[in-house]
Amino acid sequence: DIQMTQSPSSLSASVGDRVTITCRASQGISNYLAWFQQKPGKAPKSLIYAASSLQSGVPSKFSGSGSGTYFTLTISSLQPEDFATYYCQQYSGYPHTFGQGTRLEIK
Amino acid sequence: EVQLLESGGGLVQPGGSLRLSCVASGLTFSSYGMSWVRQAPGKGLEWVSVISGSGGSTYYADSVKGRFTISRDNSKNTMYLQMNSLRAGDTAVYYCAKNRGGIYYNMDVWGQGTTVTVSS
Repeated sequence: DIQMTQSPSSLSASVGDRVTITCRASQGISNYLAWFQQKPGKAPKSLIYAASSLQSGVPSKFSGSGSGTYFTLTISSLQPEDFATYYCQQYSGYPHTFGQGTRLEIK
Repeated sequence: EVQLLESGGGLVQPGGSLRLSCVASGLTFSSYGMSWVRQAPGKGLEWVSVISGSGGSTYYADSVKGRFTISRDNSKNTMYLQMNSLRAGDTAVYYCAKNRGGIYYNMDVWGQGTTVTVSS
């Protein structure tokens, strides 16, 4: 199985900051990488697919990059509604494994 | 607008069975792969299973293989997850999700989840 490792596991930031979360795959997955946002008690929300393509309706403050084994999610100009847990997921091969999540907290 | 609504969760004893349903609206259901993802209390997301639009192809996580069966009824716009031989470790919120295309695509729309608790 392909292992996905996110870093950091948690992150404190202030409103207005720009943050970057990284996701590494244990083997090359080309660009078959998605990012999700989850708020407490809510279902996950799709943000990005194909490593850098924005899901319809997602603001451009979210951006993704990477290919192969190294990927990043960058969120610019943090707003209170952006504080949540973020997950990466590879869909290069089954099982479609998730990273362990990155909790983004308000400083 | 695509909407997914799960149901069927509840409290079940270890070794018991439960069938989850996911009803979809706002899409041509048979055109999309559909997935189940679960989240144990306080834990991260775990992919569980996927089924192709026709229902002819399925995949399972090793943790549920041989115990869970995914299926769909395209005439009812509904996907199912039959869960047998349930264990305490299966306790989780179960989400259904629509794939952006077939089974080799990412998930793009999620339901609100249904809670399964396995306990005596």
